Amino acid sequence: AQTVTQSQPEMSVQEAETVTLSCTYDTSESDYYLFWYKQPPSRQMILVIRQEAYKQQNATENRFSVNFQKAAKSFSLKISDSQLGDAAMYFCAYRTPFGNEKLTFGTGTRLTIIP
Amino acid sequence: EADIYQTPRYLVIGTGKKITLECSQTMGHDKMYWYQQDPGMELHLIHYSYGVNSTEKGDLSSESTVSRIRTEHFPLTLESARPSHTSQYLCATSPRSSTEAFFGQGTRLTVV
Repeated sequence: AQTVTQSQPEMSVQEAETVTLSCTYDTSESDYYLFWYKQPPSRQMILVIRQEAYKQQNATENRFSVNFQKAAKSFSLKISDSQLGDAAMYFCAYRTPFGNEKLTFGTGTRLTIIP
Repeated sequence: EADIYQTPRYLVIGTGKKITLECSQTMGHDKMYWYQQDPGMELHLIHYSYGVNSTEKGDLSSESTVSRIRTEHFPLTLESARPSHTSQYLCATSPRSSTEAFFGQGTRLTVV
């Protein structure tokens, strides 16, 4: 079974600084997808960034980028120029393209932005 | 605007009551999911559906049931609520040809 581990329950960063959230996963599959989701307090969970395992190039979405290390099964999220609106729970998630295509989530990292 | 609607947002109910959590979507997506999320914990899949008249149980054992009579609607029912059912329930959808999942705002259920 696939597992996703987020070892940082809480992180904080000064506004405008850069922060990296860690995620490792375990799978025997070679083809899969990885995601970072953001869950602001009392608001909908939204997709931040997505990475296909067959792509070597790291995904980037504006201030958000990932460091995908397939051999190490590591998938960290870097947030540059942190903003107050980035404060949220961040979940790393894994999905196979087969079966029920469910998302397997990590336990989340609560990110606090310090003004 | 296309969206996913979950009602109620918050519910406090007594033990033994029957409850239905509603999930409706205007996204036009075939696939729908119910996840359970305890405070400070990861989400666990409890039910999913690939389309009308298709429902399957997820990885986390749940005493709830679901139905999918219409594409837009995926309600979750607890026949007899217990305190152990206290949790947040998130509904999600996904289009047939995409890996992305879209989430509703969730229903926070408390059983007393």
